[in-house]
Amino acid sequence: AQRVTQPEKLLSVFKGAPVELKCNYSYSGSPELFWYVQYSRQRLQLLLRHISRESIKGFTADLNKGETSFHLKKPFAQEEDSAMYYCALGDTGFQKLVFGTGTRLLVSP
Amino acid sequence: NAGVTQTPKFQVLKTGQSMTLQCAQDMNHEYMSWYRQDPGMGLRLIHYSVGAGITDQGEVPNGYNVSRSTTEDFPLRLLSAAPSQTSVYFCASSPGTGVDGYTFGSGTRLTVV
Repeated sequence: AQRVTQPEKLLSVFKGAPVELKCNYSYSGSPELFWYVQYSRQRLQLLLRHISRESIKGFTADLNKGETSFHLKKPFAQEEDSAMYYCALGDTGFQKLVFGTGTRLLVSP
Repeated sequence: NAGVTQTPKFQVLKTGQSMTLQCAQDMNHEYMSWYRQDPGMGLRLIHYSVGAGITDQGEVPNGYNVSRSTTEDFPLRLLSAAPSQTSVYFCASSPGTGVDGYTFGSGTRLTVV
């Protein structure tokens, strides 16, 4: 069975501080992992996908198969980063996504 | 491209009423899904479809029905609304590759009184 765990409900940091949002997964197959962001009362937007190894808005995430983790990092948080962040796992064949419970990031000035 | 369009944006139902939440996409995506979003519980999969005529249950399917008669549309039906179905509902679609991920609609906020 697929499972995604985001252990922090809320992460509060000051502007300019480093940010790490944790994500661990459980899946017997080859995982496809994503980070989605949801700004206040808006639709979910794709932020990062592990297959692309990209950096978006200064965020990066590395898939660590040994630790079954896909943590989201940013070296210097900005106030506009305040949002809800969801880690998601795609099954084999990518027929569906399973989401974690989300972490709310609050960046204070 | 409009992307994924959900209607209505808001709805209030009385307990026992039925209704259909509409979802349409214009990207020719094969895969479509319905999620509900509740505080502290993230997004939970209700039903999903990998093509016209093919649907399957997700994590929380009870009380909901779906059908997929065309590639574009994936309506979600609430058979007899209950207060526990008060939630925000999101529809999403994907071309079926990991590279592109899923594209989400703007959601329907449903309140059952």
